[in-house]
Amino acid sequence: AQSVAQPEDQVNVAEGNPLTVKCTYSVSGNPYLFWYVQYPNRGLQFLLKYITGDNLVKGSYGFEAEFNKSQTSFHLKKPSALVSDSALYFCAVRDPTAGNQFYFGTGTSLTVIP
Amino acid sequence: EPEVTQTPSHQVTQMGQEVILRCVPISNHLYFYWYRQILGQKVEFLVSFYNNEISEKSEIFDDQFSVERPDGSNFTLKIRSTKLEDSAMYFCASTETLGVTEAFFGQGTRLTVV
Repeated sequence: AQSVAQPEDQVNVAEGNPLTVKCTYSVSGNPYLFWYVQYPNRGLQFLLKYITGDNLVKGSYGFEAEFNKSQTSFHLKKPSALVSDSALYFCAVRDPTAGNQFYFGTGTSLTVIP
Repeated sequence: EPEVTQTPSHQVTQMGQEVILRCVPISNHLYFYWYRQILGQKVEFLVSFYNNEISEKSEIFDDQFSVERPDGSNFTLKIRSTKLEDSAMYFCASTETLGVTEAFFGQGTRLTVV
């Protein structure tokens, strides 16, 4: 079965410090991995994705994520956090061999402290 | 930038009433989805729709739910007889193709069943 785990409900980081939001996944085939961000009262906005190729992918707003196949992880990172990065972050996986739906994690609330 | 739009943004309904949630996917997209997010919980897949028929559905999507693409632009989710536990944020999404492409999500409809 396909699943995504985000082990941290809440991450706090000081402005200017690097941030990491963790994600691990479980799929039967090769995963397509995605990160979405949700601001209050808004929908899910796409940040970045990993399909194949370079394990480090870069996305919107300075975010990047590293695919690690051996650890089945896809952690979201940013070198220098901004207060405006405070939001809810969702990791999602899609297994093209097992249907077309996205499986989401439970979300991680990121708070960047000024 | 093209976007998925959903109406209404908030719907309050009495238990047992029918509701229709509306979505306008991105115009050149071919695959459409409904997801829901109960407050504080993860985003859950309900149904996917392609070529005027349901392609996948979850256990949540029982006989009380239906989807329709009544014209070339709208995609609707109907709940026939709402229950208190249907209270959630409902997200519509669309993708251009299967597999590698990210989904674009609407801003959501908050459904409150009283």
